[in-house]
Amino acid sequence: DAGVIQSPRHEVTEMGQEVTLRCKPISGHNSLFWYRQTMMRGLELLIYFNNNVPIDDSGMPEDRFSAKMPNASFSTLKIQPSEPRDSAVYFCASSLQGAHTEAFFGQGTRLTVV
Amino acid sequence: QQPVQSPQAVILREGEDAVINCSSSKALYSVHWYRQKHGEAPVFLMILLKGGEQKGHEKISASFNEKKQQSSLYLTASQLSYSGTYFCGTGRTGSARQLTFGSGTQLTVLP
Repeated sequence: DAGVIQSPRHEVTEMGQEVTLRCKPISGHNSLFWYRQTMMRGLELLIYFNNNVPIDDSGMPEDRFSAKMPNASFSTLKIQPSEPRDSAVYFCASSLQGAHTEAFFGQGTRLTVV
Repeated sequence: QQPVQSPQAVILREGEDAVINCSSSKALYSVHWYRQKHGEAPVFLMILLKGGEQKGHEKISASFNEKKQQSSLYLTASQLSYSGTYFCGTGRTGSARQLTFGSGTQLTVLP
């Protein structure tokens, strides 16, 4: 298996633009996590899906952020409109059974909003 | 709620030992340990489950005190390759299975 695949690896956008980050989890994994990593706040859990259903989105910072998982092999995280404070590395991770089994991370998307 | 890690940073010489601690205020089912090198994704090291099952790395060990909701990661005879940021992640008991991470411990191993 190729592991968790994220795209794009780098994204530079202007403030106010819409940004869409993509994630393909490992085949057979039923849990998917989106994290945001910054120096100040570390690895923050944004949203957790189980069997394509959002279980916990309490970490989503505000209404500008939204996430979807239309099927077991694809998820998106969208920011609209983007702001400079959204600049961070966004990681997607998947696991077989949520936090009860090991999670595997994608390589991340480095987002810069100017 | 995020687990709390300590110390925030450790500097040691090659061959020395280190201990990194992780604690939670909530009842835990699982504790995960990951290592992240600069510019890379976190890499799984070990998972400890309530009830004693442990899966992980052959040269790094860990403990999980279920009563105190605490875990410790033990790095013995450290190597230069051990340098990086170590994160503990926790999964709570109950139906919710989200994986939440602490703020990390930066470990630097010097020659």
